[in-house]
Amino acid sequence: GAVVSQHPSWVICKSGTSVKIECRSLDFQATTMFWYRQFPKQSLMLMATSNEGSKATYEQGVEKDKFLINHASLTLSTLTVTSAHPEDSSFYICSAENPGQVPLLGQYFGPGTRLLVL
Amino acid sequence: RKEVEQDPGPFNVPEGATVAFNCTYSNSASQSFFWYRQDCRKEPKLLMSVYSSGNEDGRFTAQLNRASQYISLLIRDSKLSDSATYLCVVNNKTSYDKVIFGPGTSLSVIP
Repeated sequence: GAVVSQHPSWVICKSGTSVKIECRSLDFQATTMFWYRQFPKQSLMLMATSNEGSKATYEQGVEKDKFLINHASLTLSTLTVTSAHPEDSSFYICSAENPGQVPLLGQYFGPGTRLLVL
Repeated sequence: RKEVEQDPGPFNVPEGATVAFNCTYSNSASQSFFWYRQDCRKEPKLLMSVYSSGNEDGRFTAQLNRASQYISLLIRDSKLSDSATYLCVVNNKTSYDKVIFGPGTSLSVIP
C-alpha cells in the first residue's frame, strides 16, 4: 500500500525555536497533503490543506504565520512551527492524498511527529 | 454543537463480548462516512467505510442512518487486539478537504 513518511518522529526543543516537520509520499505523487494536530485525549484537528505549487488553505483559528506550510514538490510538504511555545506541544500528523481514488480512501497518514516544547 | 459527536467511553469489555459505538453528525449534507481506529501514540488507520445499506467486514458491522444523522459500529467477539480508540469520520463537503474527525471512543478489551 501507499506509504507516507514523516520526519522527525520526535522533537524536543526550547521555547522560541522553530521546528520543521517533513511529510513525504514515498510511492505516489500527492497533489494535496493535509496537516493535523492532536492534543492528548482529543481528536485530530485539521490545521491546513497543502496544495502543490500554491498557498496552503488554513482552517479557522490556525495562524498561517506561525505554522508555515510549503508544498514545493509532489512528494514533499513541510510544516514549520515558528517560535514554538509550550502550548504548541502536540502530535502533528500529515496525510497525503493519492489522486484518482475515492477521496478519503486515498488519504494515507504519516506516522506522526511528537513535538515537546520546553 | 460539535460537528461530529461520539461517546468518549471508555468501554471496558471482556473478550468475546459484543460492543457498539455510536456517532452523530450535525451537517445533513455530509457526503461520506468512515470508521478509523487509532492505537495509542500512533496515526489513525482506516477500519471501514460506512454505506447507507450497511456493510460488514468480518466481525465489524457499520450502519448509517441519514435521516437521524447517526452512524454505528458493531464489533462482535471482541479480541484483545481490538483495544484502541475508534474515530468516527465525516466528509462534510463535496470537495475532499473537509474531513471532520469525531473525538473518538476508547475501547479496552479485557482478558
